[in-house]
Amino acid sequence: EVVLTQSPGTLSLSPGERATLSCRASQSVYSSYLGWYQQKPGQAPRLLIYGASSRATGIPDRFSGSGSGTDFTLTISRLEPEDFAVYHCHQYGNAPHTFGQGTKLEIK
Amino acid sequence: QVQLQESGPGLVKPSETLSLTCTVSGGSISDNTWSWVRQTPGKGLEWIGYISNSGRSNSNPSLKSRVAISVDTSKNHVSLDLRSVTAADTAVYYCARESFYSGRPAAFDIWGQGTMVTVSS
Repeated sequence: EVVLTQSPGTLSLSPGERATLSCRASQSVYSSYLGWYQQKPGQAPRLLIYGASSRATGIPDRFSGSGSGTDFTLTISRLEPEDFAVYHCHQYGNAPHTFGQGTKLEIK
Repeated sequence: QVQLQESGPGLVKPSETLSLTCTVSGGSISDNTWSWVRQTPGKGLEWIGYISNSGRSNSNPSLKSRVAISVDTSKNHVSLDLRSVTAADTAVYYCARESFYSGRPAAFDIWGQGTMVTVSS
């Protein structure tokens, strides 16, 4: 199975700053079928990005995704207070689907 | 707007079968592919399996021999059975819809709120 490794484990930033989150796959993700989710405590994950770079419906344009093959990045251009949460990457191009372990984005 | 709601017992005894239902409202259950995902503090998110609109299903090899996923279109339900549970199956269980865009998979766009299941005697 494809193992997804997210880094850093925790990212401490201030509102207004730029956040860069990484997701590295143990083998190439088929057709860049890579998604990013945001999860807040007690809530289900919320889809932000699919296909590595396409924003899901209703997602603000400060969220962007990039990458292909084995290296993917989620960028939040200017952090808003509501962006502090845990972020997960998910590959759905290779069976079985797998998720990264998550990156916690916390307020500095 | 499609909404998902998981339901089932919050406590299951070891060696028994964990049975959960996902009720789909606001849309057709027949037009979509549905997955089950679970989450534990230690292992994070883990995909359990899916069932497609054609009735095809598949599951994670780590769980495959214990998992059954089915759809009841008359009730708009997606069901999960996980047999021979142990404490390691204690988790929050989610159902999720796999979306498609221009015929290509587009990740899980709609999730239920999740239901906590504890395996304990």
